[in-house]
Amino acid sequence: KAGVTQTPRYLIKTRGQQVTLSCSPISGHRSVSWYQQTPGQGLQFLFEYFSETQRNKGNFPGRFSGRQFSNSRSEMNVSTLELGDSALYLCASTRGGQNYEQYFGPGTRLTVT
Amino acid sequence: DQQVKQNSPSLSVQEGRISILNCDYTNSMFDYFLWYKKYPAEGPTFLISISSIKDKNEDGRFTVFLNKSAKHLSLHIVPSQPGDSAVYFCALGDSWGKLQFGAGTQVVVTP
Repeated sequence: KAGVTQTPRYLIKTRGQQVTLSCSPISGHRSVSWYQQTPGQGLQFLFEYFSETQRNKGNFPGRFSGRQFSNSRSEMNVSTLELGDSALYLCASTRGGQNYEQYFGPGTRLTVT
Repeated sequence: DQQVKQNSPSLSVQEGRISILNCDYTNSMFDYFLWYKKYPAEGPTFLISISSIKDKNEDGRFTVFLNKSAKHLSLHIVPSQPGDSAVYFCALGDSWGKLQFGAGTQVVVTP
């Protein structure tokens, strides 16, 4: 069974631009969560989508948004990029429900210059 | 406000000895506790978990301990092996299914 895939793996953007990251969950998984990882901060929860609906949301500004499609693939968008948005963005999938054992993709490394 | 804390950013241990990783939390709302391991250029992978109704769970070389009164979680790795060198994150789950992660502890196992 294929794992969680994320594209692109690396991205360099300029301050003020916007970016879209993509995540394909494991087949059969309906929940996708997004996290931001920065040095010393661990993984900060952004949001979770289940059956195309946002089910949980973290404490990030409205510049961070996401969506999920009917095939469970998910995209995350960051508008008006700031230097502090440079981070590793990870997505994770589960079957749904209160399944805490999440399967992570390799992440997208975003650098904002 | 960081509700989950891993106060040791790094840990060096000799091969064959015990590695003990610690995680403290401030809120009693968490009811499921997990450890993840992360290698460079890879996403975290699930290692072991424990529910709030237990105080110990063992899986091979890995044992997780939960002290709810002290709001303390720990992971023991015995014996430590070079392949255990990685970053370890504790993650705490609430009743809404959200996970909160600690900042991670870098473990280095030396020969």
